Amino acid sequence: EVQLVESGGGLVKPGESLRLSCEASGFTFSDVWMNWVRQAPGKGLEWVGRIRSKTDGGTTDYAAPVKGRFIISRDDSKNTLYLHMNSLQTEDTAVYFCTGFYIRGRGTLVTVSS
Amino acid sequence: DIVMTQSPDSLAVSLGERATINCKSSQSVLHSSNRKSYLAWYQQKPGQPPKLLISWASIRESGVPDRFSGSGSGTDFTLTISSLQAEDVAVYYCQQYYSVLTFGQGTKLEIK
Repeated sequence: EVQLVESGGGLVKPGESLRLSCEASGFTFSDVWMNWVRQAPGKGLEWVGRIRSKTDGGTTDYAAPVKGRFIISRDDSKNTLYLHMNSLQTEDTAVYFCTGFYIRGRGTLVTVSS
Repeated sequence: DIVMTQSPDSLAVSLGERATINCKSSQSVLHSSNRKSYLAWYQQKPGQPPKLLISWASIRESGVPDRFSGSGSGTDFTLTISSLQAEDVAVYYCQQYYSVLTFGQGTKLEIK
């Protein structure tokens, strides 16, 4: 069974940084392009960014609102995906989900507030 | 990026009646190599994460009641609930995974 468990969320102040993690199981993590998706309170679902598999170059793409501030990385030896978030803004407040093709986890809540 | 547009934005249906939600993509999400449409449907209830209902446009996830069905190909897709139950009240989203993930804006389903 595919499992994706996000962690690392919390309350931070504007301008601060945070790192989210996602532990994957039930599939060959290293073969899969992985994404982060977020959902602001009361809003819809928004793609944040993705990282390709190492065999496909391991490169990343980001949505415009986070480009230059967020970095996605992966550790295939630990079956873990990361989202490094810098210069956080109040608009980044959301539940963050890691996904392959599909959302399967419960997400982790990031709140940016002074 | 592919834009996903759902209709209607909200829908009120009587218990036991059929509910239909539409989703249109700005370009085809049908992959020529495998003839599959890269389209999923989710159900989201308040305070919960989205729950995957349908993948590949029409494949129901294990455990999803058979009153839920997905249809369509290319750019036009439909989620149908054949006989609405009280527990189906939720927001429903479509999502394409043909390219960079994008989602519809959501359809709020209520009981009439």
